[in-house]
Amino acid sequence: GAGVSQSPRYKVAKRGQDVALRCDPISGHVSLFWYQQALGQGPEFLTYFQNEAQLDKSGLPSDRFFAERPEGSVSTLKIQRTQQEDSAVYLCASSLSPHPPDTQYFGPGTRLTVL
Amino acid sequence: GENVEQHPSTLSVQEGDSAVIKCTYSDSASNYFPWYKQELGKRPQLIIDIRSNVGEKKDQRIAVTLNKTAKHFSLHITETQPEDSAVYFCAADSSKFYFGSGTKLNVKP
Repeated sequence: GAGVSQSPRYKVAKRGQDVALRCDPISGHVSLFWYQQALGQGPEFLTYFQNEAQLDKSGLPSDRFFAERPEGSVSTLKIQRTQQEDSAVYLCASSLSPHPPDTQYFGPGTRLTVL
Repeated sequence: GENVEQHPSTLSVQEGDSAVIKCTYSDSASNYFPWYKQELGKRPQLIIDIRSNVGEKKDQRIAVTLNKTAKHFSLHITETQPEDSAVYFCAADSSKFYFGSGTKLNVKP
């Protein structure tokens, strides 16, 4: 079946612009995660949803970052007033179980470049 | 929170040799330890995982060992092939995934 998909794959934004990154998890997967991966580093946790409920947003770096999953399926990560330090690959992952830990399946990521 | 350290950061081996990557973690509550392989520009892909009630798990040329007392776990790849070349990440889960900083494995033909 289809894996996790993300769009756009690449995004270039001017500093100060708002961006929205989309994640389509595997159908039926209850849990959804967002990660930020800086160049040459491991993914860093941003936020976690169980269905439509955002259960953990402790990794969001600032109040410019906002995530939602209104119908418990597709999720959007929004970054307002982008800064150069926001440049990274944003990865989405989903897992079947509502009770982590469970295998997480990753999307291909969105590479964000802020000029 | 959890702190995961991964060594070495780069590893170069000859085709056919074994490769070992080691990770340590700090939170004794962590109970799930996956390993992901990430090729350049691609998504991380799970290659093997282990839960805290098991000491070792093997899948063909790949094995993972876990020492809960010492809080460390290792990835072993035997009979390495050029297609094993990639960045490997370990992770530990104590309510959320914490990833190591990655090991770039280069398998020379």
